[in-house]
Amino acid sequence: GAVVSQHPSWVICKSGTSVKIECRSLDFQATTMFWYRQFPKQSLMLMATSNEGSKATYEQGVEKDKFLINHASLTLSTLTVTSAHPEDSSFYICSARPGSSETIRDEQFFGPGTRLTVL
Amino acid sequence: AQSVTQLDSQVPVFEEAPVELRCNYSSSVSVYLFWYVQYPNQGLQLLLKYLSGSTLVKGINGFEAEFNKSQTSFHLRKPSVHISDTAEYFCAVSNDYKLSFGAGTTVTVRA
Repeated sequence: GAVVSQHPSWVICKSGTSVKIECRSLDFQATTMFWYRQFPKQSLMLMATSNEGSKATYEQGVEKDKFLINHASLTLSTLTVTSAHPEDSSFYICSARPGSSETIRDEQFFGPGTRLTVL
Repeated sequence: AQSVTQLDSQVPVFEEAPVELRCNYSSSVSVYLFWYVQYPNQGLQLLLKYLSGSTLVKGINGFEAEFNKSQTSFHLRKPSVHISDTAEYFCAVSNDYKLSFGAGTTVTVRA
């Protein structure tokens, strides 16, 4: 149980285009999903927190107009990188937090990540 | 605010030898602590977690960690490593549903 998927697993795009990454919780309802960015050989940096049906909360320094997050249902959140540039190339990882169980409070389940390369 | 410090960026170890990965945290409130493993080009997999109760926590793949409140530490140990344990390991702390990660420790197991 507690499986999170991401699609696509890798994407290459041209500079100036937009890319959408999907994050799905496959066997539980996720009231909260998180988006992280990871540079090579570095740790995960939280970009934003998204709650189903409401606007995402972005971390300081993250451009909300560039990284659009939509959490339209309890099992799906999307991250759209708009007008992508080479510096946006990174590994993007999502996680999902179940909202109902006290026994796994604060635990997040991670997706496998999406490798974005902007040429 | 909370933060995590992983004291070792790289840990080379021989197969079947023990390994310890050190993690210290700082927080003004009670926290939950986690260790995750990341294999190349993959997401994170939970090894173990401390929420409350016994300070010695056992996880998957033979790993265990001990929560020490007075030293604000949560060190990860495995008595005998395998080649397959080669990976990146992250310590994380949470108290408001957000996870803060350490910089990671690269474990390389050699035959």
